Amino acid sequence: DAGVIQSPRHEVTEMGQEVTLRCKPISGHNSLFWYRQTMMRGLELLIYFNNNVPIDDSGMPEDRFSAKMPNASFSTLKIQPSEPRDSAVYFCASSLRSSGANVLTFGAGSRLTVL
Amino acid sequence: GQQVMQIPQYQHVQEGEDFTTYCNSSTTLSNIQWYKQRPGGHPVFLIQLVKSGEVKKQKRLTFQFGEAKKNSSLHITATQTTDVGTYFCAGPKNQGGKLIFGQGTELSVKP
Repeated sequence: DAGVIQSPRHEVTEMGQEVTLRCKPISGHNSLFWYRQTMMRGLELLIYFNNNVPIDDSGMPEDRFSAKMPNASFSTLKIQPSEPRDSAVYFCASSLRSSGANVLTFGAGSRLTVL
Repeated sequence: GQQVMQIPQYQHVQEGEDFTTYCNSSTTLSNIQWYKQRPGGHPVFLIQLVKSGEVKKQKRLTFQFGEAKKNSSLHITATQTTDVGTYFCAGPKNQGGKLIFGQGTELSVKP
């Protein structure tokens, strides 16, 4: 398996532009997570899906952020409009959730810089 | 809300010295996981502890889960330069699927 695949790996954009980050989870995994990592705030969970359904989006910073999972093999995280404070590394992770276990496999991350 | 705290935030050691990072949760955890993130990389799962008082070893790494299932530690014996990175503990929130990560302990090893 190729693991969790994220794109783009790097994105530099200007304030106000729309940013779309993409994620392909591991085939067969039923849970998908979006995390944001910054020096100041560490690893923050933004949203997670179980069987393609959003379960908890309480970590989504504000209405500018949205996430979708139209099918089991694809998810997007969209920021519109982007702001400099959104600059961070965004990780997608997937897992096969079973009772008592939820081990995450992370993608390589998308490094976003908003100028 | 539920918090997972890690100390220390940074640790600089000479190669060959031991290293320990500690993780404390504000609530009892059903399990705790440890991840390692190399500089410029992504978190990689190391191990999961489930039972109260559990101790697991992976070569030079020893992981412990406290009796009350609210704290955990990772100890590395005789560090090597390949151990460099940030070590995170993580626990599930409210027994659900949401995994809360500690702030991490960044380990640097001087050869």
